[in-house]
Amino acid sequence: GIQVEQSPPDLILQEGANSTLRCNFSDSVNNLQWFHQNPWGQLINLFYIPSGTKQNGRLSATTVATERYSLLYISSSQTTDSGVYFCAVDLTTSGTYKYIFGTGTRLKVLA
Amino acid sequence: DAGITQSPRHKVTETGTPVTLRCHQTENHRYMYWYRQDPGHGLRLIHYSYGVKDTDKGEVSDGYSVSRSKTEDFLLTLESATSSQTSVYFCASLGPQQETQYFGPGTRLLVL
Repeated sequence: GIQVEQSPPDLILQEGANSTLRCNFSDSVNNLQWFHQNPWGQLINLFYIPSGTKQNGRLSATTVATERYSLLYISSSQTTDSGVYFCAVDLTTSGTYKYIFGTGTRLKVLA
Repeated sequence: DAGITQSPRHKVTETGTPVTLRCHQTENHRYMYWYRQDPGHGLRLIHYSYGVKDTDKGEVSDGYSVSRSKTEDFLLTLESATSSQTSVYFCASLGPQQETQYFGPGTRLLVL
């Protein structure tokens, strides 16, 4: 079946450090999103990025659709970046917008 | 923020009872989703809707049904709750450009 794998599963950083989170998917991407779930459980959309590169402040994301992976970069990490980061993909071509989530990367940023 | 609310926010119920969770959005979004989140599994799609009265199954739909009689409301029903349905349930809607999912705050359900 369709596979969405994220790595690493867990990550601990000192404040100010940079990190790269990876999302691999097993088929062609129709849509891809990155989300942050904060320690209180709220899910926030970070990027819609089926291909190419986008930046938003200290965060940026790149998707290489032909090689079936996406990367989320966090620079100068802050304690508020802690939480779980998910990628979600819609691998269908029929426009159903039916998403499969990866199992996430749990990030803890230490002060 | 798409103004998505979920009710109830917390619920404790007994095995075998029916349970209905409600999701309400104020943005007139066409697509809506129900997910469950369990440790080690991330979010898994239960059912989704692509319009009023138009729904389809997700990857973990057994034991769940949904209804969407109005654009703004998407109901999830556990027909006969089991302990394996203890979970956190999230509702989401997809923005008008079909790019961004907006999530509700979640419902924490405990089935005893």
